[in-house]
Amino acid sequence: QVQLQESGPGIVKPSETLSLTCTVSGGSVGSGSYYWSWIRQPPGKGLEWVGYVYSSGSTNYNPSLKSRVTISADTSKNQFSLKLTSVIAADTAVYYCARDGHGYDSWGQGTLVTVSS
Amino acid sequence: DSQMTQSPSSVSASVGDTVTITCRASQDINSWLAWYQQKPGKAPKLLIYAASSLQSGVPSRFSGSGSGTDFTLTISSLQPEDFATYYCQRANTFPFTFGPGTRVDIK
Repeated sequence: QVQLQESGPGIVKPSETLSLTCTVSGGSVGSGSYYWSWIRQPPGKGLEWVGYVYSSGSTNYNPSLKSRVTISADTSKNQFSLKLTSVIAADTAVYYCARDGHGYDSWGQGTLVTVSS
Repeated sequence: DSQMTQSPSSVSASVGDTVTITCRASQDINSWLAWYQQKPGKAPKLLIYAASSLQSGVPSRFSGSGSGTDFTLTISSLQPEDFATYYCQRANTFPFTFGPGTRVDIK
C-alpha cells in the first residue's frame, strides 16, 4: 500500500518561492508507470491540477502556472518536490501530492500553504 | 483546453435514494474520465477510472458510464457515508482539468 506525505512551510511571503516535498513509502518514484503529481485546492473551492513528474523524470505542468512551477524527483530519497515561484495570495491552497496510475489512486493528506506577509 | 462542467452543482437526497451526476467535456475525451469523492478536510478518493471502471475497494453502488463528451456517475441506494462532494476529471490531454464539483447533501 503506497503512502504519500507532504511537508513544507505553512506560510510563504508574497513574491517568494513555495517549496513542498512529498515523501513516498510503499512504492518507488523512479520505477513503474506512474505520474507523481501535485494538485491544489484553494479554501472552499475546487481542485486544480498543477503538474507531474513521471517515473522516467519527464514533467508536465498546468499552462496557467507553467512559467512559475517546477516539479522534480529525488529517487535516492524516494521523494518528489514542487517549487512555485513569485507566489501571490491566489496561490493560497491545500496542496496535495498524489500518484496517478489509472486515476489518482493514492493521495497525501494535504498541506495548507498560506501566502501572506 | 477541454473544459469540464458538472450538473447539478448540488443535490439534496435521502438515504436509499439513487443520485445521478452528469459531467460534460467541451471536447471529445473518449473514455478518459475519472470520478472522485471528497469529504470535508480530506483528500479526494478515486471512485471510477476510464469512465466506467470501478476502483478496487469502492462499493458497487457506485457506477460510471459515458464516452466522448457526456458522462454520468450514479450512486444507487445512497448511504450516510456517501454525503460528500464529487468531482469528475478528464485524463486524456494536459492539463488534467477537474470539473467544478457536485455536492450531495442530506435532504
